[in-house]
Amino acid sequence: DAMVIQNPRYQVTQFGKPVTLSCSQTLNHNVMYWYQQKSSQAPKLLFHYYDKDFNNEADTPDNFQSRRPNTSFCFLDIRSPGLGDAAMYLCATSRDGGRTGTSGRYEQYFGPGTRLTVT
Amino acid sequence: RKEVEQDPGPFNVPEGATVAFNCTYSNSASQSFFWYRQDCRKEPKLLMSVYSSGNEDGRFTAQLNRASQYISLLIRDSKLSDSATYLCVVAFYGGATNKLIFGTGTLLAVQP
Repeated sequence: DAMVIQNPRYQVTQFGKPVTLSCSQTLNHNVMYWYQQKSSQAPKLLFHYYDKDFNNEADTPDNFQSRRPNTSFCFLDIRSPGLGDAAMYLCATSRDGGRTGTSGRYEQYFGPGTRLTVT
Repeated sequence: RKEVEQDPGPFNVPEGATVAFNCTYSNSASQSFFWYRQDCRKEPKLLMSVYSSGNEDGRFTAQLNRASQYISLLIRDSKLSDSATYLCVVAFYGGATNKLIFGTGTLLAVQP
């Protein structure tokens, strides 16, 4: 089945130790997103890629970086994790981001998430 | 004011009950509207899109009122399996691509 896959599902890292989370998709979608979701809060968009174009949210800390080497894969790098970065990290994809002006419904499809613990 | 506001609940209802969730949004440029469902410690999953004409999918009915910037979800004949958090989501074209803005969700607990 076509899907959005995230690895690992659970990640434990030490304070200040760099960590990389990965996302892959078999949907061949143009757009890939990374969200951070803390307990009882809404998912918060960190950044997204439209193809190779990177779009950072204004309030995303510099500690968070992303790479998209090809259509299928996207990585989230946390350079120096702090205790406040413990959260669920969700990857999502959408077929068309609306850039072409189509009347797409902008549905996004989420992976299962990676739960990050910082010790 | 939050961009998308929902009553956090929890809504505790018996099986078979009808329950309604409401949501308001502040950005009048919002273009698409959705309800997502999120089970505990799982990812959000698209439940249904919301159209101005209203739409129904089985026991679920969604309504949109653009003039009032208001979205609703009605669940009829609640099942135990409907217990989850329901996220109201609006999308708008953010200059580079579409963006989804999530509400914090309404927790539904269906009791046997």
